[in-house]
Amino acid sequence: QKEVEQNSGPLSVPEGAIASLNCTYSDRVSQSFFWYRQYSGKSPELIMSIYSNGDKEDGRFTAQLNKASQYVSLLIRDSQPSDSATYLCAVILNYGGSQGNLIFGKGTKLSVKP
Amino acid sequence: DAGVIQSPRHEVTEMGQEVTLRCKPISGHNSLFWYRQTMMRGLELLIYFNNNVPIDDSGMPEDRFSAKMPNASFSTLKIQPSEPRDSAVYFCASSIGRGGGPYNEQFFGPGTRLTVL
Repeated sequence: QKEVEQNSGPLSVPEGAIASLNCTYSDRVSQSFFWYRQYSGKSPELIMSIYSNGDKEDGRFTAQLNKASQYVSLLIRDSQPSDSATYLCAVILNYGGSQGNLIFGKGTKLSVKP
Repeated sequence: DAGVIQSPRHEVTEMGQEVTLRCKPISGHNSLFWYRQTMMRGLELLIYFNNNVPIDDSGMPEDRFSAKMPNASFSTLKIQPSEPRDSAVYFCASSIGRGGGPYNEQFFGPGTRLTVL
């Protein structure tokens, strides 16, 4: 099983809709989770971090964490064409040779259609 | 505040040549990370430094790759000799600390797009 898994997409949503991005991870004791946005040809940009179960809201973004299910998601409300990008889920692992390192999923490409 | 600075932004070289990538982390950050991103493998950690000391280089693909951090404000990633399969975007990132919690929020530089012909 891959350590951090995301659906590669593309995920296409109409402008104004809610985009839902999902991520699963393999380490049952991971404590730190991040969402990065990466525009084509640009570097990853941190948009959300979450450390405890439940929801965390920041503007149009909501991160949701369920440690029992090893699942973290990102909701984007009122999606805009400018949200079109690849969204990378990242998790800090707490086992093995990668302990303490930030492990990235391969990203989900989101396309918001006007 | 200045973010992570990387140079050059683009590098085109021929197989067998030496390539040196440079990074200046955010002032006050004591952890520095080098990543490589390709379509096939995604974003992979190559090496990371804490307080200028290399802590984990298990991601360095082979001996052709080396990295140094002579002081808190400068790091280099060197490839010698370079090969076409090294073509990728190389990112440098920095954070205040390492491990869980907000102190591990990593901020990325603009990257160096390397093409080896």
